[in-house]
Amino acid sequence: DQQVKQNSPSLSVQEGRISILNCDYTNSMFDYFLWYKKYPAEGPTFLISISSIKDKNEDGRFTVFLNKSAKHLSLHIVPSQPGDSAVYFCAASRNNAGNMLTFGGGTRLMVKP
Amino acid sequence: DTGVSQNPRHKITKRGQNVTFRCDPISEHNRLYWYRQTLGQGPEFLTYFQNEAQLEKSRLLSDRFSAERPKGSFSTLEIQRTEQGDSAMYLCASSLAQGALSGYTFGSGTRLTVV
Repeated sequence: DQQVKQNSPSLSVQEGRISILNCDYTNSMFDYFLWYKKYPAEGPTFLISISSIKDKNEDGRFTVFLNKSAKHLSLHIVPSQPGDSAVYFCAASRNNAGNMLTFGGGTRLMVKP
Repeated sequence: DTGVSQNPRHKITKRGQNVTFRCDPISEHNRLYWYRQTLGQGPEFLTYFQNEAQLEKSRLLSDRFSAERPKGSFSTLEIQRTEQGDSAMYLCASSLAQGALSGYTFGSGTRLTVV
């Protein structure tokens, strides 16, 4: 049972445009959500997070939106840069789960110059 | 502090052999996690420690897998009698107990290939 899903395995955008990465979840008990970025041959790097009591969190070029009723979150990157090309994972956790994360399958973002 | 360190980076072993991986977390982090990632998938939780106590184990962690964190510092993950299905990237991460929204810091992983 995949509790966190990223239905788009890949996404290609032009440099300077907006990148929108999507994530759906099924477990309504998740309390917070995170996005990680992964370059080849490296471990995932934490990018941004959001608590379930919020619907938006912004950090520079990165904004995460949470729609609890739809069990959907998205990551917006504006403007996209070639260095943003990586695999992006969304992850979710519950407060009483020791920070244990459930990850989606990832979306490969390619930003073309 | 140079972050989370994992050794070795790559390991090739024959089926049936035992392997052991090491993880050195960020020194002030009291939580340490092991995840496994196969090609095209996201990381899957295996187990985690708070200090030296192993608090949670996934059902993915069969009896052939064992993890330790003596003295609450570095951790080892041992796989006995390796099988081809064990081939994966094994990721270690660490965090502070109260740092849920700050995420983990992952190491670069140990890639295991069982031939």
